[in-house]
Amino acid sequence: AAGVIQSPRHLIKEKRETATLKCYPIPRHDTVYWYQQGPGQDPQFLISFYEKMQSDKGSIPDRFSAQQFSDYHSELNMSSLELGDSALYFCASSLRPGEGHEQYFGPGTRLTVT
Amino acid sequence: GESVGLHLPTLSVQEGDNSIINCAYSNSASDYFIWYKQESGKGPQFIIDIRSNMDKRQGQRVTVLLNKTVKHLSLQIAATQPGDSAVYFCAENTHTGFQKLVFGTGTRLLVSP
Repeated sequence: AAGVIQSPRHLIKEKRETATLKCYPIPRHDTVYWYQQGPGQDPQFLISFYEKMQSDKGSIPDRFSAQQFSDYHSELNMSSLELGDSALYFCASSLRPGEGHEQYFGPGTRLTVT
Repeated sequence: GESVGLHLPTLSVQEGDNSIINCAYSNSASDYFIWYKQESGKGPQFIIDIRSNMDKRQGQRVTVLLNKTVKHLSLQIAATQPGDSAVYFCAENTHTGFQKLVFGTGTRLLVSP
């Protein structure tokens, strides 16, 4: 079965650079979520989209922005990168928002900021 | 914010033992709970879920127990296998939200052969 695809899998950037992470949800899934997971920490919700509209917002820095496109893929744009942005970034998708709609996680993008 | 920690609680068991992983949640409005398994370098993988109108749900080798009175969730794994070694997270969600998941602090399960 098709899973959530994330690219790139690994990314190394320098401080103050920008990065773009991509997420391709499972076919027919219209809801996408972004999570950030620091070393040894639990995943923290950043932002979500439903039908190309932002549906919820968590602890996403102002330096980050995201959007969902007409084909339902999503991109997380990160600017003025800081060392503390080094983390695993997961995208998850679900059929639609609401209780019981399981979120399927992608393999993650490991971002290293040097 | 949610609890975080650089040093995950660890549960070490022998192959074949039953494992119990516990989780305390903080939001009394949460009405949907999920357990995820995360192997090293991979994304969280769904194990089992439970709604707040239930106190127990069983899957294949796994059972989730929910105690709303004390806001406690547990995951029981029967006949633990080396392949069960991973970090386990509980996550909560409120019905009124767009299914934003709030994760608890993970527990690392180590299974010795």
